[in-house]
Amino acid sequence: AQKVTQAQTEISVVEKEDVTLDCVYETRDTTYYLFWYKQPPSGELVFLIRRNSFDEQNEISGRYSWNFQKSTSSFNFTITASQVVDSAVYFCALSEATVAGANNLFFGTGTRLTVIP
Amino acid sequence: DAGVTQSPTHLIKTRGQQVTLRCSPKSGHDTVSWYQQALGQGPQFIFQYYEEEERQRGNFPDRFSGHQFPNYSSELNVNALLLGDSALYLCASSLAGGLKRYTDTQYFGPGTRLTVL
Repeated sequence: AQKVTQAQTEISVVEKEDVTLDCVYETRDTTYYLFWYKQPPSGELVFLIRRNSFDEQNEISGRYSWNFQKSTSSFNFTITASQVVDSAVYFCALSEATVAGANNLFFGTGTRLTVIP
Repeated sequence: DAGVTQSPTHLIKTRGQQVTLRCSPKSGHDTVSWYQQALGQGPQFIFQYYEEEERQRGNFPDRFSGHQFPNYSSELNVNALLLGDSALYLCASSLAGGLKRYTDTQYFGPGTRLTVL
């Protein structure tokens, strides 16, 4: 069965601090995809990144970076030099590729990040 | 390039009533998925539509049904509303993976906030 755990319910940091959001996943599939989405107060889920199970290379995009480690089933997200605009709920999600191509997402419970000016 | 759109934005219904929510996918996408997000929780997969058929379904009762139209837009219908159906309903669109073991990224709309009194 699939499962995504985001143990950090809420995190508060002062602006310009670095912050890491943890994500641990469980799956029996050998082919799967991991995602991070941002949900600002408006409610819309904003796609941030997708990683497939064959690619453990870490990725950096501006102030955002992601660390994917299959050995620990983790896909952590780091924001460097946080800004007030980063305040949101962040969701980690897992998708298991199926033969039929269906790709529903299993979400964690989210981490609410508050950046204090 | 229009993103995913949903209507209405907010809806208030009473127990036992029926509701229809609508979604238009992102331009170029042909697959629509629906999610329910209760307050403080991560989104939960309801079902996915492709080629006007339900391709995959999550753990939701038959009171939840859907439809996809030839232009790829979709509707979510909920019958016999319960108080527990109060949630943010999110629509996501993606491009079908066919029979390949492939998962395309899902892009979300702003959601419909349903309140059942």
